[in-house]
Amino acid sequence: GAVVSQHPSRVICKSGTSVKIECRSLDFQATTMFWYRQFPKQSLMLMATSNEGSKATYEQGVEKDKFLINHASLTLSTLTVTSAHPEDSSFYICSASLRVGGVNTEAFFGQGTRLTVV
Amino acid sequence: AQSVTQPDIHITVSEGASLELRCNYSYGATPYLFWYVQSPGQGLQLLLKYFSGDTLVQGIKGFEAEFKRSQSSFNLRKPSVHWSDAAEYFCAVGGYSTLTFGKGTMLLVSP
Repeated sequence: GAVVSQHPSRVICKSGTSVKIECRSLDFQATTMFWYRQFPKQSLMLMATSNEGSKATYEQGVEKDKFLINHASLTLSTLTVTSAHPEDSSFYICSASLRVGGVNTEAFFGQGTRLTVV
Repeated sequence: AQSVTQPDIHITVSEGASLELRCNYSYGATPYLFWYVQSPGQGLQLLLKYFSGDTLVQGIKGFEAEFKRSQSSFNLRKPSVHWSDAAEYFCAVGGYSTLTFGKGTMLLVSP
């Protein structure tokens, strides 16, 4: 299967600072990328969907000004957690898919990023 | 709205014993169904998927799943569990890449 690389795998930051997480599709061009958040012992919750070259679509309840998503190229999407607070501490996972014939193909997941805000 | 229910939060199985993880879904059309496995602090690895055709799907690591439309189920099975199978398992439903996940089942393997 295709490879999606997420970086960093772990990050600790001070409250009030911003953190950027990168999601790269290594061997294919991802027209669509998805960002999920996973709380401890919980399932994955979709935060937003981003299509290359356009604004991200955020799920209800997700603050778009706090979670900035950029999908400027077909191989890279970034999630920036702005002015992070301890309640933003979580496991963030991205996935990427390729659009073929107008249909999104199977999604491939990154390894996830453990964010801890102190 | 689509949803996924995994009724078992934890399951403990002896090494070498058989395994079945339950998954029920709600979806308005013919679903795409997936099972993923997640080791601690890691991303998700796809075990298998169902789109159409044969309702018994074979996956990696000796796993299989059976789609039963009448029961809205997609249970995951393995005939003989290995200690390395201990992990969290997620069932998901959706339109191929936009997925709704269940809450997961933690599999513990006892010696």
